This record gives sequence, C-alpha cells and structure tokens, in this order.
Amino acid sequence: GDSVTQMEGPVTLSEEAFLTINCTYTATGYPSLFWYVQYPGEGLQLLLKATKADDKGSNKGFEATYRKETTSFHLEKGSVQVSDSAVYFCALGAQKLVFGQGTRLTINP
Amino acid sequence: DGGITQSPKYLFRKEGQNVTLSCEQNLNHDAMYWYRQDPGQGLRLIYYSQIVNDFQKGDIAEGYSVSREKKESFPLTVTSAQKNPTAFYLCASSTTGTSGAETQYFGPGTRLLVL
Repeated sequence: GDSVTQMEGPVTLSEEAFLTINCTYTATGYPSLFWYVQYPGEGLQLLLKATKADDKGSNKGFEATYRKETTSFHLEKGSVQVSDSAVYFCALGAQKLVFGQGTRLTINP
Repeated sequence: DGGITQSPKYLFRKEGQNVTLSCEQNLNHDAMYWYRQDPGQGLRLIYYSQIVNDFQKGDIAEGYSVSREKKESFPLTVTSAQKNPTAFYLCASSTTGTSGAETQYFGPGTRLLVL
C-alpha cells in the first residue's frame, strides 16, 4: 500500500539556519502531496500542498517540490524562526490521507 | 468563525467503559474523518464518512464505532473492545471534490487517558 517516510527527528537548529526535512513516498498512481504542521497541544494545519509532478507548494517561506523521478517532497525554508518550532507531517493521498511519522523541529534563538 | 470543535479536551476512561468523543464542524463539508495519534507516530485513520448516513472503516477501526446522522457531526465511540485506547484523537473535515487535493481541516483534538 501507499506509504510515506520522513527523516528521523528531532531536528534542532539555530534561528536563521537553513531547514530541510526529507520526505519520500511510495504510491500507486500520482497522488497529491501535503505538508501539515502541528503546534504543541493543537490539531494539524495545512502548510502547503502540490497536486502533480514538478508542482511547487509554498507558504510562510516554506517550499516543497513534487519530484516524481525521486518520489520525494522535501520541505525547505531558507531562514527558520523560533516560531517555526513544531512537528511537521508529510502526507499523500486524495480523499484518504497517509501520513509520515512526523518530524519534531526545535529552533533555538 | 468557521471551524471544527472537539470536546472534551481531556477524557478519562475506566476499564470496561465506552466513551464518546464529539466532533462538530460548521464548514459545510461533506467529508469527515477520525484519526488516532500516538507519541512519535503519524496519524492513523480510524473511520471516515463522505456523506450523511454513510461511513467506512479506516486502517484501525477495531474497537471503535461512529455515526453520521447529521452533516455537521461525526461522533466517535471508543468501546471497551479497544484494549489500548490511550492516545490523542483528531477529527478532520474536507470537501469531496474531484481535484484529489482537498485540504483536510483539523480540530484541536481530544486526549483520552485510561484510569
């Protein structure tokens, strides 16, 4: 079945550092890909999404490109802030979503 | 403001007891979902519903039951058959378009603990 694999966490960076969180997937067909973010004690919020190969999703300085050839959807941000500390989930699917295990990110001032 | 509400925020269950988690949305979404989140793990789908009076099992439906009598409401019952119910439960809703990229909107979650 479909699956998503994210890089192991936790990830700790200093403010203004460059961020990459790796996400690879296996799926039949060409599903949509998503990044969700979860702040402590809260539900998930959509961060960005891409619906087809080579699409780039972007929001709040975060970007991810749908790479069919490498089955990847890595999340990047050029300069992280303390407020970006959260758990990030990569997911794929259409009506039903399959989630990765999440990557906890901590940004130190 | 439109959104999804879940109640209660914390819920305690005794051995052999059934408990019901509430989920209400005012986004006029046709589809609703229940997920379970365990520490250090991703979300796993319990049940989902794409229309009133219809629902389907997800990946981990055993020990859970749902109903969808109203578009706005999708309560989840954790039955005594669920032997390891301690987890964070998240409800979500979405439209049911054909684009394949319908965003799911999540509630704040209910944390269930076993006494």
